[in-house]
Amino acid sequence: GQSLEQPSEVTAVEGAIVQINCTYQTSGFYGLSWYQQHDGGAPTFLSYNALDGLEETGRFSSFLSRSDSYGYLLLQELQMKDSASYFCAVRSASGGSYIPTFGRGTSLIVHP
Amino acid sequence: ETGVTQTPRHLVMGMTNKKSLKCEQHLGHNAMYWYKQSAKKPLELMFVYSLEERVENNSVPSRFSPECPNSSHLFLHLHTLQPEDSALYLCASSQDWGGRGQENEQFFGPGTRLTVL
Repeated sequence: GQSLEQPSEVTAVEGAIVQINCTYQTSGFYGLSWYQQHDGGAPTFLSYNALDGLEETGRFSSFLSRSDSYGYLLLQELQMKDSASYFCAVRSASGGSYIPTFGRGTSLIVHP
Repeated sequence: ETGVTQTPRHLVMGMTNKKSLKCEQHLGHNAMYWYKQSAKKPLELMFVYSLEERVENNSVPSRFSPECPNSSHLFLHLHTLQPEDSALYLCASSQDWGGRGQENEQFFGPGTRLTVL
């Protein structure tokens, strides 16, 4: 089977940097995605890592280490609007397709 | 604007009612999905359609019945639901089903908040 672990909640102050970790167990791993969901809103795609290393997109970066079955989302220069839930999702060949399997989500609370 | 719309946004129904959730995608995608999101739980995949054909059904009770009349529309028909079925039901679409690439990431609708009394 597959499993993903991420912290349930993270708090930080405006302007700070925060890292949300995700560890996973799966067979046939292909890639790790991150999604953001504001309260009452739709999950929106943030990033996708299939190879080891850091991918940067503006204030957000995502990192993957395939050998450690570990990834993280890094948010810099935090803003109040970044308060949301963040989900990691694994793409693997389990079950014969590459449909993402989602973690439980991390609630990020940004304080002024 | 995600290009995926869902109606209604909120629904309250009794256990003996029959209702339907509707999803429409304006992105020209070939695959559509239904997910259930309950508090403190991971997103649960319910059904997958690719080119109007059901390709996955993840052991969902028969009181949930999907329908995909064309590649832009997806319905979830509900009947004799239980209170534990109360959740946010999310629809999503992707360019294709089951592919490896980033182009197959999912675009979600805003969801229907369902309450079963």
